[in-house]
Order: sequence, then C-alpha cells, then structure tokens
Amino acid sequence: DAGITQSPRHKVTETGTPVTLRCHQTENHRYMYWYRQDPGHGLRLIHYSYGVKDTDKGEVSDGYSVSRSKTEDFLLTLESATSSQTSVYFCAISGLGAGADTQYFGPGTRLTVL
Amino acid sequence: TQLLEQSPQFLSIQEGENLTVYCNSSSVFSSLQWYRQEPGEGPVLLVTVVTGGEVKKLKRLTFQFGDARKDSSLHITAALPGDTGLYLCAGAYNFNKFYFGSGTKLNVKP
Repeated sequence: DAGITQSPRHKVTETGTPVTLRCHQTENHRYMYWYRQDPGHGLRLIHYSYGVKDTDKGEVSDGYSVSRSKTEDFLLTLESATSSQTSVYFCAISGLGAGADTQYFGPGTRLTVL
Repeated sequence: TQLLEQSPQFLSIQEGENLTVYCNSSSVFSSLQWYRQEPGEGPVLLVTVVTGGEVKKLKRLTFQFGDARKDSSLHITAALPGDTGLYLCAGAYNFNKFYFGSGTKLNVKP
C-alpha cells in the first residue's frame, strides 16, 4: 500500500469554525490532490499541488484553501466551515513518468459540520 | 454537469451473472482509469487504459477504451460476492488532473 495517511479520520465541527485536514505521504510523489466525495457525485477535485508551494484550483475550490510547504504534507483548510462542506475528504498522490496516471488514495476523513 | 457519465448507477445481481458498466464523455482523455472502492476506504486502482481501442483483462474483469478515447467499459464475467463495491471511472486530462464519474454501486448476492 502507498504510504498515505490522513488526519483526523473523523471530525465533527460547528458552522463558522476553521478546520484543517492533513495529508501526509512517504512516497516522495510530486503531485498531491484533495477530493471530496458526496453521494451521486463521485469524487470532485478541490485543489491539487504539483510541487512544494505550487498549487492550483480544482472544480469545487470555493471555500477551501491549501498549502504545501514540504513535499510530504498537503493541508486543506476550511476557513469558515459550512454545512454544505459536510463530506468525506480524500487525499491522493501521483508521480511522474509511467506513474503519472496512477493515483493512490488515502483512507479518507469524514467531516460533519453542524 | 458531470463530465463523465457512468451507468448504471446501481446494479444488484446474483452470483455467476455477467455485467457491464459504462463510462461515457464528450471529452477526449489522455488516459482513463477504473477504481474500486469499499465502504470506509479510499478508491483502489484496477487498471489504466491509454490507447484508443485498448482492451485489458484482469482475471474476470475486462476493460475497454473507446477508439476515440471518450468512453470506456468494464465487463465482469461470472460475478462473485467479493466483486461487491463502488466502481469509479476517472479520465486524465492536462497530464495530471482527473475527472471522476459518479460511480456504479454493485451488489452481488450469493
């Protein structure tokens, strides 16, 4: 299994509070992604990173920010959580060359915003 | 708007039956992946198809990429209860960005 961990695995928070989710990899892969998964929508890309301090928006980036100060860590921040951000969040990594089309996923973080 | 349309959304069959899941788009992808996801876990890659018309087999699973690289199918022969799960297709574009379909939830009854 690819070395990807996510923390926390579960979180319950209240509307308006800030939340930070962490993704940590031990594979030294260049690309890292944050997705959210909701019933009927599959996985939707929030933000991704193509290197340290290099990030870009995905299709559902509003209300989210990210940071990547080290190769191994990719943080997702909800500045002021809303109930519509209740979801399961997955981090993924992919490499270069022959491994570019292969994404490895973390175990997910279940976030509930009350 | 879903860039990748998967069908059917739900499938409940008996052990031993065959099934096909479809993944369709109006966009061209550089490659297409199929994943399987079990409850409480992240998706796990089954296969990547790259060339138009490509067919790949993984035991009882057969994957096909359309000639125009816009669609794909997953066929399972003689399904087993262990095949139960959520099947997701994902198209790669701009090299390292991916769009996912909404998934097909498969239940194989013993």
